[in-house]
Formats: sequence, structure tokens, C-alpha cells
Amino acid sequence: GAVVSQHPSWVICKSGTSVKIECRSLDFQATTMFWYRQFPKQSLMLMATSNEGSKATYEQGVEKDKFLINHASLTLSTLTVTSAHPEDSSFYICSARRTGVERSNQPQHFGDGTRLSIL
Amino acid sequence: AQTVTQSQPEMSVQEAETVTLSCTYDTSESDYYLFWYKQPPSRQMILVIRQEAYKQQNATENRFSVNFQKAAKSFSLKISDSQLGDAAMYFCAYRSYTGTASKLTFGTGTRLQVTL
Repeated sequence: GAVVSQHPSWVICKSGTSVKIECRSLDFQATTMFWYRQFPKQSLMLMATSNEGSKATYEQGVEKDKFLINHASLTLSTLTVTSAHPEDSSFYICSARRTGVERSNQPQHFGDGTRLSIL
Repeated sequence: AQTVTQSQPEMSVQEAETVTLSCTYDTSESDYYLFWYKQPPSRQMILVIRQEAYKQQNATENRFSVNFQKAAKSFSLKISDSQLGDAAMYFCAYRSYTGTASKLTFGTGTRLQVTL
């Protein structure tokens, strides 16, 4: 089955540092990947849509300069939280859909998420 | 913009019993997809069931089935013979049929407890 790998699963770092999270589709190509943020006991909020070879599309209210997204290949998207502060602490989840099946019922496949803690 | 509403923040069911989780949505589109995802304490998102809006027949997956009422814009999930492993957060999600981006819109979730 389709597998999405997300790394790291948990990161703790000091305020002011930048943190990079990777999302890889292991056995399929994904032109589009999605980045979500989830606060405790809340739903997933879409932050941005990552497009291979082009700029990401950010949702309203998401700071582009704070959350840098790069989708350099058909199997890898990265989210970099720049100059992270305690309020950026959250659970970040990526997902991907297999290229070529956009108009179908094929679901998004989710990574296992990254727990980010900023001290 | 589409919205998804889950009006039950928490539900409880006894093991082996049946429980129904509610979901309503708002859209002006005629073609779309609906999903139920399960998120256990591990926080992994697991697809439970999916439904195409153009299909009248309700989707079923083993102990999981949906009651899809397109006119009422309702998409409830029924879990039969509940098991302890069913305890999790359940999210209803909507996805447009058109457009290659096809992002998911999630409801606020229902936390399901399964008791002995």
C-alpha cells in the first residue's frame, strides 16, 4: 500500500532555531503534498499545499516566511519552521496523493506526524 | 467554501454494541468525496471509509458503514460490534471532485470511548 514517511517524529529545540520536517512518499509519486497543523484535542488545519516544481499555496493566515515549503521532487516535500518560538509548538502532519489519480476517490495518505516542541 | 460539522465532541459505546457518529457538511458542489478518518492516540491518520457523492449506495467496510444522505448533506458513520481498538478520534472530511489540488476539509472530530 501507499506509504508516506515523515521525519523526524519528535523534535525539541531552543527558541530561535529553524527546524526542517521531511515528508516522503515511499512507493508512489506525489505532485501535490499537504501540510497540516494540529493543536491538542483539535482538528487538522491545512497550512499549505505543496506543489512539485512550483511555489506552495498557503492558506489564509499562515505566514509564508515562517513556514517555508519546498517540494523539490515528486517524492519529497519539506517544511521548515524558521526562527521557531514556543507558540510554534504543535503537531505537524503531511499527506500526499498519488499523481495521476486526482479525479478519483483515491485518498490522501498521511505521514505519522512530527511533534515539535520549542523551549 | 465548504464546511464540515461534527456536532458530537465525545461519544461512548459499550464493547460489542453499535454507535453512530454524525457529520454534516455544506457545499454548493454536486460532485465530491467524503471520508471518515480515525486518529488513535498514536496520532496516525487512518482511513476508515470513503464515499463518492455520485453513488447512491452507502459504502461499507466490514464493521463500518455510512448513511449518506446527499439532499440533507449528512454523512454519518456507524460502527457495529464495537471493539476496544475502535477508541479514537474520528474525523469526517470533504474533498472536492474538481481541481487537482483537492484538499481535504476536516470536521472538528468526535472522540469515541469504548467501554467494557
